[in-house]
Amino acid sequence: SQKIEQNSEALNIQEGKTATLTCNYTNYSPAYLQWYRQDPGRGPVFLLLIRENEKEKRKERLKVTFDTTLKQSLFHITASQPADSATYLCALDGAGGFKTIFGAGTRLFVKA
Amino acid sequence: NAGVTQTPKFRVLKTGQSMTLLCAQDMNHEYMYWYRQDPGMGLRLIHYSVGEGTTAKGEVPDGYNVSRLKKQNFLLGLESAAPSQTSVYFCASSSGGVDSYEQYFGPGTRLTVT
Repeated sequence: SQKIEQNSEALNIQEGKTATLTCNYTNYSPAYLQWYRQDPGRGPVFLLLIRENEKEKRKERLKVTFDTTLKQSLFHITASQPADSATYLCALDGAGGFKTIFGAGTRLFVKA
Repeated sequence: NAGVTQTPKFRVLKTGQSMTLLCAQDMNHEYMYWYRQDPGMGLRLIHYSVGEGTTAKGEVPDGYNVSRLKKQNFLLGLESAAPSQTSVYFCASSSGGVDSYEQYFGPGTRLTVT
């Protein structure tokens, strides 16, 4: 069955460092991959989308890579800030975009 | 714009009771979704709709029904609640246009079934 794996252990980093989160998937060939941010008690918020034919996407301090051979995406936050502390969800979609599969998320803590 | 709103925010039900969760969006989106989120698990798709008057089953549809009579509203019903349906429920919408796949989520409904 299709499976998405995100590190269930929380990631603790110091302010100003780069945070790197990993998303691995199996038994799936997604047309595109998305990253969302979720704060406690709130709904997820869309951050970035990358397509299968794209290797890298950037938005301000965020960078996403997508390796369809390794079946892996890396999500980077450069110059991290305490306000970046949240849970980050990886999501995969096939063509059509209405049966998204979400990972369980990785909790990020940025210490001042 | 309010975006995606959900009512109620919290609800406690007894086993066997029924209820309806309401989702509304003001972005004129075609696609709407209902997910549930449980600790340690990703969001799981319950039902979705690709347009007014249409609905389809997602990954975990059993025990739930939905209706999309108006484009802006998507209702999720529990006919006979069970403790296994204790969860946080999120509604989401997306435009459904080409190259426009990002989903906009509501604030969630926390449901407890005793």
